[in-house]
Amino acid sequence: GAGVSQSPSNKVTEKGKDVELRCDPISGHTALYWYRQSLGQGLEFLIYFQGNSAPDKSGLPSDRFSAERTGGSVSTLTIQRTQQEDSAVYLCASSQVRRSTDTQYFGPGTRLTVL
Amino acid sequence: SQQGEEDPQALSIQEGENATMNCSYKTSINNLQWYRQNSGRGLVHLILIRSNEREKHSGRLRVTLDTSKKSSSLLITASRAADTASYFCATDIGTGANSKLTFGKGITLSVRP
Repeated sequence: GAGVSQSPSNKVTEKGKDVELRCDPISGHTALYWYRQSLGQGLEFLIYFQGNSAPDKSGLPSDRFSAERTGGSVSTLTIQRTQQEDSAVYLCASSQVRRSTDTQYFGPGTRLTVL
Repeated sequence: SQQGEEDPQALSIQEGENATMNCSYKTSINNLQWYRQNSGRGLVHLILIRSNEREKHSGRLRVTLDTSKKSSSLLITASRAADTASYFCATDIGTGANSKLTFGKGITLSVRP
């Protein structure tokens, strides 16, 4: 595709419900990243996928958060039993490979609001 | 604690003026990158400077890196109203596939027409 796309763009949910956020990376990009951006904060790294390697889950804040990447392309971030502190913008990015010099291309994000 | 911290937190200037934004970091880096985020949008990569480089230019952007002071600056010359956005520095640390990009909290730049 032309860029990284994410859906939905906005999600409002009630506390305790599960949510799924979707990311479509740029075609051919093997590296995919999820970040969380809370109001007035920088980007918090959540998880990273590279090809068929085991994902780097070191940034996931709790076991309520999980992500998968099917077929090396589309990724889904799932948050179970959502809490109000999960409210944030969730950004997905992709790059050609995981190299320190590779540019990350970001999607527009999903704004999650937990009531 | 943040690996990269930008300064100032907010900057307001008149169109045509230059904008200087600073970033300090704590540990050794592979490279440092600057990104821009327009309101309600994702981040857009602006420029990357490697640890062995001291200065880099791209259009109206000039980035400097001082590894001895662990700091970088982003200069936008002849600013335009369209430059209004949040700017983030990101430091790449670690090695190979374990390298990781860490973002600061960002600087909010307002350019008054």
